[in-house]
Amino acid sequence: GQNIDQPTEMTATEGAIVQINCTYQTSGFNGLFWYQQHAGEAPTFLSYNVLDGLEEKGRFSSFLSRSKGYSYLLLKELQMKDSASYLCAAPLGGQNFVFGPGTRLSVLP
Amino acid sequence: DAGVTQSPTHLIKTRGQHVTLRCSPISGHKSVSWYQQVLGQGPQFIFQYYEKEERGRGNFPDRFSARQFPNYSSELNVNALLLGDSALYLCASSPGTEAFFGQGTRLTVV
Repeated sequence: GQNIDQPTEMTATEGAIVQINCTYQTSGFNGLFWYQQHAGEAPTFLSYNVLDGLEEKGRFSSFLSRSKGYSYLLLKELQMKDSASYLCAAPLGGQNFVFGPGTRLSVLP
Repeated sequence: DAGVTQSPTHLIKTRGQHVTLRCSPISGHKSVSWYQQVLGQGPQFIFQYYEKEERGRGNFPDRFSARQFPNYSSELNVNALLLGDSALYLCASSPGTEAFFGQGTRLTVV
């Protein structure tokens, strides 16, 4: 079966660094996505990893280990606007994504 | 450029009724997918259409159906609504791997 797991809630302080973990079990592997979703809004693309290692994009970085079925999203220099849900997702083929439950991040002043 | 657009944005229906949700993909995108997102959970895949053909179906009852039109827009239909169908329905279009989501339709069944 397909399963993606991530913590449901995290809290961090403005200016800090936070790491959101994701573990996955899928029958095939076509990469791993991270999406950001503010309350009441559409998910927006953050990153896509298909090879092992770290992908850096500004304040956001994403890491993938295919052998461990593990990924994380690293957010640096946290800002209040980073308060949102962060969704880990694996495409199973075509546009059939399996999503994790989402991690609701609260950034406190 | 316009993103993925969905209509209506909010909808209230009574149990047993049917509903039609609409989606217009980003220009040039031929693939459209539908997701259901219950409050506090991640989106769940319902359907994918590509070039007007169904390419994938999630674990949803036959009350859920969809179609894609020649201009690549799409409709999601849900019959015999249940209270549990209350959710945010997201449409996504794609030129390939990455999915671009619309703002969603918030359906409330009372």
